[in-house]
Amino acid sequence: DVKVTQSSRYLVKRTGEKVFLECVQDMDHENMFWYRQDPGLGLRLIYFSYDVKMKEKGDIPEGYSVSREKKERFSLILESASTNQTSMYLCASSLASGRAQNEQYFGPGTRLTVT
Amino acid sequence: AQSVTQLGSHVSVSEGALVLLRCNYSSSVPPYLFWYVQYPNQGLQLLLKYTTGATLVKGINGFEAEFKKSETSFHLTKPSAHMSDAAEYFCAVIHTGGFKTIFGAGTRLFVKA
Repeated sequence: DVKVTQSSRYLVKRTGEKVFLECVQDMDHENMFWYRQDPGLGLRLIYFSYDVKMKEKGDIPEGYSVSREKKERFSLILESASTNQTSMYLCASSLASGRAQNEQYFGPGTRLTVT
Repeated sequence: AQSVTQLGSHVSVSEGALVLLRCNYSSSVPPYLFWYVQYPNQGLQLLLKYTTGATLVKGINGFEAEFKKSETSFHLTKPSAHMSDAAEYFCAVIHTGGFKTIFGAGTRLFVKA
């Protein structure tokens, strides 16, 4: 079974803090993704990575950065947390395009509250 | 721009009744199609997917979906709802050769006893 784990289920941070969300997958997937999920808005893609050290902006990258130094690990960084970044953050992984029909495997999510 | 539309942000059914969750996509080329389910305080998990071949796809927990190219639809059905089906359901598409998934806004299913 594919397993995607996220470092925290719940996190509370103060405005202006630097926040790190970690994601690890154990199935040697090439692609990894960070989404945020808000009521009524569904999932919105923040960043994705298709290889080590490679990253692409998603639909809402402002205020976020990412790091992928190892294939299994994809980190999301909030450089200076703000209250409008309070949300559920979901990490996902998938096989490379062309190798499978690219269903994504999701972690359990991190509910971040910025006060 | 590619898009996925789920009709109805909330659907309520009685236990034992038919479940029908609607999904339409915009695309000139048939994409890969997915339904995911999210139970409270959990991540998403795959229910079923359509890639090629048979247009009626069966998934886990008794769900199935039919790809209708002429209608650009991929509606999710289950003949008889169970209380444990209460969750949020997301329709999603990936276009052939791509890896970016486009998700619908989700439909929350309520099941009444």
